[in-house]
Amino acid sequence: AQKVTQAQTEISVVEKEDVTLDCVYETRDTTYYLFWYKQPPSGELVFLIRRNSFDEQNEISGRYSWNFQKSTSSFNFTITASQVVDSAVYFCALTRISNFGNEKLTFGTGTRLTIIP
Amino acid sequence: GAVVSQHPSRVICKSGTSVKIECRSLDFQATTMFWYRQFPKQSLMLMATSNEGSKATYEQGVEKDKFLINHASLTLSTLTVTSAHPEDSSFYICSARSQDSPLHFGNGTRLTVT
Repeated sequence: AQKVTQAQTEISVVEKEDVTLDCVYETRDTTYYLFWYKQPPSGELVFLIRRNSFDEQNEISGRYSWNFQKSTSSFNFTITASQVVDSAVYFCALTRISNFGNEKLTFGTGTRLTIIP
Repeated sequence: GAVVSQHPSRVICKSGTSVKIECRSLDFQATTMFWYRQFPKQSLMLMATSNEGSKATYEQGVEKDKFLINHASLTLSTLTVTSAHPEDSSFYICSARSQDSPLHFGNGTRLTVT
């Protein structure tokens, strides 16, 4: 069985501060994908990143960075110099890698991030 | 632009009526579509997986006679909430992918049953 844990239910930081959202996962699969999605108040899911379990390199995209630590089964997400537009619920998700295209995403419970102006 | 279109974005219906939600892949053929449900301030829970031309596979606890899923073509899947009740009020979101594409989500449908 797969499980994704986002222990931080809600986080509030003042604008321009850095913030890290934690994600810990459990899986028995040897190959898997990890994802982060952003859900703004409007409700849609915005894809942020997909990481293959083979690739443990950290990734940076603008103000966003991700730290994948396979040894601790964690895939943390950091926003630097936060902005009010970053306020949203962020979901971490996991799926096994399948050749059949029918992987099911297991989502964490989400972290509600509020950036205070 | 959006690659998965979901319609309607919001719907209000009376208790006992049925509501149909459409999910379309706009620029790719979706061999598999997924339907999720999200209660307020909660995570997304998978309801069912549908493959084109075959019956949907429902997750445990999801009533297949209440949540009818049809995936009749490679670009369209529909979810029909039959005899809706207030407890069915929720945010429903679909996702789609093909063998060659990553998963894309629709913008969701907020259903309110009065």
